[in-house]
Amino acid sequence: GAGVSQSPSNKVTEKGKDVELRCDPISGHTALYWYRQSLGQGLEFLIYFQGNSAPDKSGLPSDRFSAERTGGSVSTLTIQRTQQEDSAVYLCASSLATDIAKNIQYFGAGTRLSVL
Amino acid sequence: AQSVTQLDSQVPVFEEAPVELRCNYSSSVSVYLFWYVQYPNQGLQLLLKYLSGSTLVKGINGFEAEFNKSQTSFHLRKPSVHISDTAEYFCAVSRGSGNTGKLIFGQGTTLQVKP
Repeated sequence: GAGVSQSPSNKVTEKGKDVELRCDPISGHTALYWYRQSLGQGLEFLIYFQGNSAPDKSGLPSDRFSAERTGGSVSTLTIQRTQQEDSAVYLCASSLATDIAKNIQYFGAGTRLSVL
Repeated sequence: AQSVTQLDSQVPVFEEAPVELRCNYSSSVSVYLFWYVQYPNQGLQLLLKYLSGSTLVKGINGFEAEFNKSQTSFHLRKPSVHISDTAEYFCAVSRGSGNTGKLIFGQGTTLQVKP
């Protein structure tokens, strides 16, 4: 596709269940970022991947959150034992490389997660 | 560490009026500054960015922003808004040299343009 694709667009789950959110970056983009957009917290950085380097996980809020990027392309954000405070829109972005002075980050439309 | 404060959570304005969305940042190192716009049910789109040089930067859709180092501000302006400018606007900062692309965002400002 032409842009960053995220699926599902909406996800409703019950408290305690695990969820997986998927991000398909723009083809050829080596850098991939996950952000969370929640009421009262604004937009928060979660994690980023750059090529084969170890990911920067400094923004993950707890050990219930994890992410992987297989084959340097598709990424999956997994939330285990979901809590109501995990309800948010999860945004993915990708760019050709990490230097933001030279590379625009393109954002997907997000996955809206609702934990009941 | 860097942080960003957007001083107004909501800004209502009438169509064709000027608007200013305020943004202040703090950082102990040099930074790059950005404004993004998010239309309903869409991802963020880059409006403009300041890297270095001229402190007045122009972006898409008639928006511009001015970097003020002494006031640590990067306010967004448009001289005449349209209904279609109704959206949420985010100010963001990243480290300058040695950046990893990681963005620190403000809380966002909802611009409501009324007819």
